[in-house]
Amino acid sequence: QAVLTQPASLSASPGASASLTCTYPSGIKFAPYRIYWYQQKPGSPPQFLLRYTSDSDYLQGSGVPSRFSGSKDASANAAILLISGVQSEDEADYFCMIWVTSASMIFGGGTKLTVL
Amino acid sequence: QVHLVESGGGVVQPGGSLRLSCAASGFTFTRYPFHWVRQAPGKGLEWVAILSYDGVSQNYAGSVRGRFTISRDNSRSTLYLQMNSLKAEDTAIYYCARDMYTNGWGAIDFWGQGTLVTVSS
Repeated sequence: QAVLTQPASLSASPGASASLTCTYPSGIKFAPYRIYWYQQKPGSPPQFLLRYTSDSDYLQGSGVPSRFSGSKDASANAAILLISGVQSEDEADYFCMIWVTSASMIFGGGTKLTVL
Repeated sequence: QVHLVESGGGVVQPGGSLRLSCAASGFTFTRYPFHWVRQAPGKGLEWVAILSYDGVSQNYAGSVRGRFTISRDNSRSTLYLQMNSLKAEDTAIYYCARDMYTNGWGAIDFWGQGTLVTVSS
């Protein structure tokens, strides 16, 4: 079973940018996959942020601020969630997800973003 | 607006059974596939199962296959998860979640608030 790797934690100052990575094991390219990002605050269910496959195949979740954006780094075989102008309300856990052809869903372990 | 309300969680002994329900409202239930996803206390998300919009196709995570059964009653706009032979490692919050695609499946756009299942003697 494939595993998506996310850093356990990340800190950012208000107004700074935060780059959250989601890495797929080497040998399997991320390029064809749709990558989904979710935000989860304590005591609440996850919320859909965005879907990124490529710059031409992109979906922002309803009501999600434009400071949240997605991209991929092919050289690192990674997907990236960029939060521009971090705000205190962005403090949360962030999960990446892919859907694989075996008809199952794989989540990354999650990154806890702390806004200092 | 989309509303998903889970129920049926509780404390059960190892080897026991439990059935979770998820009542949906605010959209056309019959158009969407649905998932169950769980989250152990303080841990990450684990996908459990998926069911197609018509209830015909389904799939399960290896950790629950053969023990859990996902089903739906489209006349009641309700999703179910029958859990048998429960183990301590099944302890988690169980979320009902709507797939975002009506012409396929593969991602979640809305989640319920979750129901806690605790397997303990």
